[in-house]
Amino acid sequence: DAGVIQSPRHEVTEMGQEVTLRCKPISGHDYLFWYRQTMMRGLELLIYFNNNVPIDDSGMPEDRFSAKMPNASFSTLKIQPSEPRDSAVYFCASSPPGVSYNEQFFGPGTRLTVL
Amino acid sequence: SQQGEEDPQALSIQEGENATMNCSYKTSINNLQWYRQNSGRGLVHLILIRSNEREKHSGRLRVTLDTSKKSSSLLITASRAADTASYFCATSLVDYKLSFGAGTTVTVRA
Repeated sequence: DAGVIQSPRHEVTEMGQEVTLRCKPISGHDYLFWYRQTMMRGLELLIYFNNNVPIDDSGMPEDRFSAKMPNASFSTLKIQPSEPRDSAVYFCASSPPGVSYNEQFFGPGTRLTVL
Repeated sequence: SQQGEEDPQALSIQEGENATMNCSYKTSINNLQWYRQNSGRGLVHLILIRSNEREKHSGRLRVTLDTSKKSSSLLITASRAADTASYFCATSLVDYKLSFGAGTTVTVRA
């Protein structure tokens, strides 16, 4: 069974450009999470969805960041316009339905570099 | 902000030795999870311990939880080169929201 799929794996862009990161969660999972990992701040939860509905977006750094989940098998994280400080590894994770303390399954991440 | 803080930040051991790392957190939790991250990869769940549990085992892993001290430890016994990775504790207070620590980087020397 395929795990969480993220694309692209690497993205290099110039400041001011729009960046779209994509995620396909594990089939049957109804929770989806977006994280950002940097050396300075560690792993931060940006936003998470349940049944395609955003539940908590308090971790989204600013209005330049937006996330959508149009259906159960696809989510996007968009940064517009991008800035050098957005450079990080972005992870998508999903979790199955059930009790609230389920493990999260992480994708391989997208390494974003904004020049 | 990070809820958990791992200690030490880095650990280097010989293959076959045990590795112990600790996690301290600040507020009450429902459960605590440990994850492993190999270089350039995503995190992989290792073990979960609930707030009403004190110790849990999974293969070569042993996790303890002391809610009175707000701390947890992860012990990896008989380490192997493949255990070289960063290890993170993650705490959960409400629903699915996890707060990760800064991690402990473990290097197992052959």
